[in-house]
Amino acid sequence: GQSLEQPSEVTAVEGAIVQINCTYQTSGFYGLSWYQQHDGGAPTFLSYNALDGLEETGRFSSFLSRSDSYGYLLLQELQMKDSASYFCAVREGNFNKFYFGSGTKLNVKP
Amino acid sequence: DAGVIQSPRHEVTEMGQEVTLRCKPISGHDYLFWYRQTMMRGLELLIYFNNNVPIDDSGMPEDRFSAKMPNASFSTLKIQPSEPRDSAVYFCASRTSGGAGETQYFGPGTRLLVL
Repeated sequence: GQSLEQPSEVTAVEGAIVQINCTYQTSGFYGLSWYQQHDGGAPTFLSYNALDGLEETGRFSSFLSRSDSYGYLLLQELQMKDSASYFCAVREGNFNKFYFGSGTKLNVKP
Repeated sequence: DAGVIQSPRHEVTEMGQEVTLRCKPISGHDYLFWYRQTMMRGLELLIYFNNNVPIDDSGMPEDRFSAKMPNASFSTLKIQPSEPRDSAVYFCASRTSGGAGETQYFGPGTRLLVL
């Protein structure tokens, strides 16, 4: 089976840096994705890591350690519009099945 | 591109009625996914298609749920008969197998309420 653990809620102030962790257990790990979802909206893709290391895309970075079954999403220079839920999702094997975590609600305060 | 299109955006129905949700994937995408999102269970994959063929329907909760993809530009998810526990947001997503194939593009969702 699969399981993903991420914090349920994180609060940070505008301009700060926040890290959202994700630990996973899966029988055939292939990659880790991150999605952002605003209240009432649809999930939107942020990043994907298949190999160990850090991937940077603007203010957002994502890290993966396959040996530790661990990844994180790093958000820098937080803005109010970053207030949303963030989901990690593991891709199982070379299939197209993605299992989503329960999401981390990020609250950005002024 | 218009993105993934879903209809209706909201649906309120009574228990026992048939519900049909519709999805138009992004043109050129060869994978289509149906997800369900609830507070209790989060975002769950129900079924996915590749080139209009159902590949994995192990997430479909029970026989009341069925999905079809008659062509590359249209898919339906049907619930018959509907029950209150089916109330959720249903998302359709599509992706391409080429390029950055890991990116799934989600539609706006259908918010279903079964009374």
